[in-house]
Amino acid sequence: NAGVTQTPKFQVLKTGQSMTLQCAQDMNHEYMSWYRQDPGMGLRLIHYSVGAGITDQGEVPNGYNVSRSTTEDFPLRLLSAAPSQTSVYFCASRRTRTNRETQYFGPGTRLLVL
Amino acid sequence: GDSVTQMEGPVTLSEEAFLTINCTYTATGYPSLFWYVQYPGEGLQLLLKATKADDKGSNKGFEATYRKETTSFHLEKGSVQVSDSAVYFCALILNAGGTSYGKLTFGQGTILTVHP
Repeated sequence: NAGVTQTPKFQVLKTGQSMTLQCAQDMNHEYMSWYRQDPGMGLRLIHYSVGAGITDQGEVPNGYNVSRSTTEDFPLRLLSAAPSQTSVYFCASRRTRTNRETQYFGPGTRLLVL
Repeated sequence: GDSVTQMEGPVTLSEEAFLTINCTYTATGYPSLFWYVQYPGEGLQLLLKATKADDKGSNKGFEATYRKETTSFHLEKGSVQVSDSAVYFCALILNAGGTSYGKLTFGQGTILTVHP
């Protein structure tokens, strides 16, 4: 198993540009989520999905869209990038909706918005 | 709301020293507790977890005990190695639904550097 994979590893955008961060898992996990990591703030939940076709907002959803058309993929779209979205983005997955199960994280995408 | 507070870093130790990283939490419900580790340039890896009071999580020589009475989950290791240098995150998740469904609440992270 490759686990949770993310692409790209690093991206530079100009303000106003759009892009999609890719996330895939090959473990047949039901639950997937996106977090952003900012210095001194730990990780904060952006969006999550409890299964194909079902998504919901997390703590900091503004400026981001998600969709879950398949179990494996959970892309994160930035509609119009802003400097405040400069961050490291992590995708995570776990086997079921049960909260106490372990979440597995991808290697992250480092995004710089100029 | 739910929150996790970790001791401020960075923490610098010599090899074979004893490590403690303090973690306390507040939760609106009944949480599971986790320690994640992030090595340089990598994503987060689960280090250990505990899902109920008095449980002890352990892995790779690290231990943490879920203390409900003090709302704490302190990370300890008896003898650190240079390879333990990383950022350590304490986190919680509620065991039932509600407004924080599925959300891991993280502390701010503690940077650990171990010198030979």
